[in-house]
Amino acid sequence: AQSVTQLDSQVPVFEEAPVELRCNYSSSVSVYLFWYVQYPNQGLQLLLKYLSGSTLVKGINGFEAEFNKSQTSFHLRKPSVHISDTAEYFCAVSDRLNKFYFGSGTKLNVKP
Amino acid sequence: DTGVSQNPRHKITKRGQNVTFRCDPISEHNRLYWYRQTLGQGPEFLTYFQNEAQLEKSRLLSDRFSAERPKGSFSTLEIQRTEQGDSAMYLCASSSGGDGTGNTIYFGEGSWLTVV
Repeated sequence: AQSVTQLDSQVPVFEEAPVELRCNYSSSVSVYLFWYVQYPNQGLQLLLKYLSGSTLVKGINGFEAEFNKSQTSFHLRKPSVHISDTAEYFCAVSDRLNKFYFGSGTKLNVKP
Repeated sequence: DTGVSQNPRHKITKRGQNVTFRCDPISEHNRLYWYRQTLGQGPEFLTYFQNEAQLEKSRLLSDRFSAERPKGSFSTLEIQRTEQGDSAMYLCASSSGGDGTGNTIYFGEGSWLTVV
């Protein structure tokens, strides 16, 4: 079975500062990795995904993530955040059946 | 492409009543998923379909829950004899492709259920 751990439930950060949201996964087989963002009262939107190839993946809104197989991690980063990045971020893995497993989420709160 | 559409967006019901949610996936997406999300948690898998075939039901889905996808297009999720613990957001998602494809799933905006 697959599981996803997001250790930080909340991350406060000032505008224009860098941020890293951590994600670790557990799987006995190869998986695909995703980050989704959720704004209040909305569904989830894809930020980026890793399928294979280069371990550094770039997504929308200036976000990027790095796949680290040895550490089973897929941390999300942004060098300079904006107020509009305030949202909840979910890390997810999908297995060979294309079922998705989500972490419990990290609320990013960008302060002016 | 109008995206995944869910309705109603909000439903308040009394305990013991039945409720039904509808999901219209992105056209030509053959996979359709239902997830449940409670406050402070990530989405939890409930069930999914490949065309009209229901592939798997989570153990979270009690006998009071039933999902259908007739003709492989829209899907309905019915909850019978609702309980307060059913209060949550019910998310629908769809994707193209099948097993092992790593395809993205696209979510609707969710249907909020409040059981009073």
